[in-house]
Amino acid sequence: EPEVTQTPSHQVTQMGQEVILRCVPISNHLYFYWYRQILGQKVEFLVSFYNNEISEKSEIFDDQFSVERPDGSNFTLKIRSTKLEDSAMYFCASSPQGALDTQYFGPGTRLTVL
Amino acid sequence: AQTVTQSQPEMSVQEAETVTLSCTYDTSESDYYLFWYKQPPSRQMILVIRQEAYKQQNATENRFSVNFQKAAKSFSLKISDSQLGDAAMYFCAYRVLDSNYQLIWGAGTKLIIKP
Repeated sequence: EPEVTQTPSHQVTQMGQEVILRCVPISNHLYFYWYRQILGQKVEFLVSFYNNEISEKSEIFDDQFSVERPDGSNFTLKIRSTKLEDSAMYFCASSPQGALDTQYFGPGTRLTVL
Repeated sequence: AQTVTQSQPEMSVQEAETVTLSCTYDTSESDYYLFWYKQPPSRQMILVIRQEAYKQQNATENRFSVNFQKAAKSFSLKISDSQLGDAAMYFCAYRVLDSNYQLIWGAGTKLIIKP
């Protein structure tokens, strides 16, 4: 069964550094999402992406964040200058359509900012 | 604003017995989806079951079923014949059926299975 994959599984970085989290959505899916889960807290929506542009973003998704689909398979989340509070589990998800479809999640990338 | 509430931070059940996890939500929308996701220790988010609000029939997936009460805005998950592999965090999530794509999540319920 096709799966969403994410790399790396764990990323450790120094405060102020840039990180890129990578996701490979399920191949025939058209909508892509990033969520984050700070340890012990609720899952929070960051951004949705369709047709090579952002379709929706939350207040968390400020100018420090960006997303890109650099080729036909990868979907990336870049954090330009990481802060301590960016430490979280970051989940990528994809769905075949948009609002009508279930989102399928990847295994997550644990980001630790020191 | 739409919110999702899971009032049980932790539940435990004896293996092979049945457990119900509760979820309530607040919305003024009439068309939406509700989901239960499972997050085992591996932290991967796995879809357990989903319910379309326009459907009166409760969704069922093998040992997992929901009790969807639209008027009460309640969406509980029943796990029958609990197995050790069911141990996980369970999250209830909501999504409105328009251009708003984001899932709104509850805080989660930790399910412990006693052998």
